[in-house]
Amino acid sequence: NAGVTQTPKFQVLKTGQSMTLQCAQDMNHNSMYWYRQDPGMGLRLIYYSASEGTTDKGEVPNGYNVSRLNKREFSLRLESAAPSQTSVYFCASSRTGEGSGELFFGEGSRLTVL
Amino acid sequence: GEDVEQSLFLSVREGDSSVINCTYTDSSSTYLYWYKQEPGAGLQLLTYIFSNMDMKQDQRLTVLLNKKDKHLSLRIADTQTGDSAIYFCAEKESDMRFGAGTRLTVKP
Repeated sequence: NAGVTQTPKFQVLKTGQSMTLQCAQDMNHNSMYWYRQDPGMGLRLIYYSASEGTTDKGEVPNGYNVSRLNKREFSLRLESAAPSQTSVYFCASSRTGEGSGELFFGEGSRLTVL
Repeated sequence: GEDVEQSLFLSVREGDSSVINCTYTDSSSTYLYWYKQEPGAGLQLLTYIFSNMDMKQDQRLTVLLNKKDKHLSLRIADTQTGDSAIYFCAEKESDMRFGAGTRLTVKP
């Protein structure tokens, strides 16, 4: 079972460069999310998509854009990377409607901006 | 905004019980969760409790919820070295909010 797959796992960028983090899920989930994890701060929501064709800002959206390409895929783009965006990024998905609302996470993408 | 708070570190000896505590502020949370993160991996759901319950037990795990004090705890009985990980408390009403995570170290 693949679950949530993120690429790349590691990336080093120079300040001002752009890149896109890719995420795909094979669980037929409607909702998808991008979080960043920083030491001592837990996970903070960047953007989420409640369904195909919709995206909404989370707690820390500045400097990021997202695209919900289809039901399976949700990408995160950094247009002009900054050192403050050095972090571990996690994609997650969940079923909407009834149920516990459990999030299923990818293994993370570690990004360093020099 | 709403906050979820937990202590950052806990160290126990193998075989002892571990208790990880969490406080939250959103009284309308429907579910409260404990996630586990092992090194280099994403978070995985460990257990969750519905807000109208005050206790849930699952093998070595016991979750206690005190709604009046907005306090959630996770007890791991007979803690093993394989339990060493970061444990995240989370609450959900409309979206899911996470605490900073408690790093549990189990010493042999």
